[in-house]
Amino acid sequence: GDSVTQMEGPVTLSEEAFLTINCTYTATGYPSLFWYVQYPGEGLQLLLKATKADDKGSNKGFEATYRKETTSFHLEKGSVQVSDSAVYFCALVSGSARQLTFGSGTQLTVLP
Amino acid sequence: DVKVTQSSRYLVKRTGEKVFLECVQDMDHENMFWYRQDPGLGLRLIYFSYDVKMKEKGDIPEGYSVSREKKERFSLILESASTNQTSMYLCASSPPLGPSLQYFGPGTRLTVT
Repeated sequence: GDSVTQMEGPVTLSEEAFLTINCTYTATGYPSLFWYVQYPGEGLQLLLKATKADDKGSNKGFEATYRKETTSFHLEKGSVQVSDSAVYFCALVSGSARQLTFGSGTQLTVLP
Repeated sequence: DVKVTQSSRYLVKRTGEKVFLECVQDMDHENMFWYRQDPGLGLRLIYFSYDVKMKEKGDIPEGYSVSREKKERFSLILESASTNQTSMYLCASSPPLGPSLQYFGPGTRLTVT
């Protein structure tokens, strides 16, 4: 079945540091890939997505590139802020599936 | 502004009690989902529904049931709560061809003592 593997957290960075959160996947066919973010006390929000190989999703300074050859979708940001502190989830949906498959989530804390 | 609301943010119940978690969406979405979120395990799908009175089991349906009598409302039922059902429960909804476009509620943190 489909699965998503994320780097284990928690991740703690200083403000303005570079962020990478690794995500790899296993799926049948050609999945669409997503990053969701969960701020403290809130539900999940879609952060960015990519629907085919070599697509780059971007939003709020975050980027991720769909790499079919390495089955990866790593999340990056060049300069994190305290307000980026949240839990980040990588997810996929493949074929005609009606539901998302989520990774385990990565807690990010950014210190001033 | 789109909205998914859940009946409670925090809930404390005793072992053996019947527990109802309610979710309402105002976007006229066909699909609705219930997940539980546990540290290190991410989100796991319990049940989902793609139409009124329709339901399908997700990855971890044991110990849970659901009800969808109206399009906007999707209820999760714990028939006899147990301590291993202590968790954060998240509801989501999406349009029929957009499972990735899931809008999430704020979650209900359930503690079973």
